[in-house]
Amino acid sequence: DAKTTQPPSMDCAEGRAANLPCNHSTISGNEYVYWYRQIHSQGPQYIIHGLKNNETNEMASLIITEDRKSSTLILPHATLRDTAVYYCIVSFLYGQNFVFGPGTRLSVLP
Amino acid sequence: SAVISQKPSRDICQRGTSLTIQCQVDSQVTMMFWYRQQPGQSLTLIATANQGSEATYESGFVIDKFPISRPNLTFSTLTVSNMSPEDSSIYLCSVEDPTQGGTGNTIYFGEGSWLTVV
Repeated sequence: DAKTTQPPSMDCAEGRAANLPCNHSTISGNEYVYWYRQIHSQGPQYIIHGLKNNETNEMASLIITEDRKSSTLILPHATLRDTAVYYCIVSFLYGQNFVFGPGTRLSVLP
Repeated sequence: SAVISQKPSRDICQRGTSLTIQCQVDSQVTMMFWYRQQPGQSLTLIATANQGSEATYESGFVIDKFPISRPNLTFSTLTVSNMSPEDSSIYLCSVEDPTQGGTGNTIYFGEGSWLTVV
C-alpha cells in the first residue's frame, strides 16, 4: 500500500500557484519524498524529491514540514500543460521500487 | 537523466497470444522495474528485473504469465503471455538512474506500451 495520502482532485486557475498537499505521517528517517506527474497516460515524469530541506528546481518547489509528516508541491505559475495526475511517493534512496497511490488530478483552468 | 525507449508503443493483440515488450536504456543501470497501469488506475509494480538472475515478482504476478529477461545492464523485456482482455493496460519500464550523485537516485519511466487485447 502507498504510504501517502493525497486529495483526489484539485483545480487551479492558469497563472496562479498550484499547491498540492501530501500526507506521509509514517515516513521513516531515511525515506525521501518524491513527486511525479503523469500527463494523459504518458509515462510518469519526475518532478522533484527531498529529504527534509525544502527543494526547488526549474519545475517546482517542494516544502517539507519540520516533522516530515507532510509536504506540499508548489507549481509557481500553473499553465494548462500542467494539467495531470500528480503522485507523491515516499521511498528509500537506493534500490527501491516506487509504490504509487491514486495521486491528485490537477486541472488547470483558463 | 536516463533515456528509456520502449517498443512497441501501442499494439492490439488477439486473445490467447503473447507479446514481448522491449525496454532499452541509453546508459547502464542496475535497477530496472516493470509496472502495469490498468485503465483509469494507478501504477502497480509487476517485478524488478535483475541482471544475471531471475526477476523478483510482486504479489499477484507470476513468472509464467509475465516472463522477464535482463540480459545486460541496458536492456530488458517483459512478455505478457496468453493474453486476455483483462491484460489490456499500459506497461511501463522504469530505471533507477544513479547519476544524481549524493542527492539520491531518481527513477525514470519510459513512455509505456499500450496493449489492447481483443
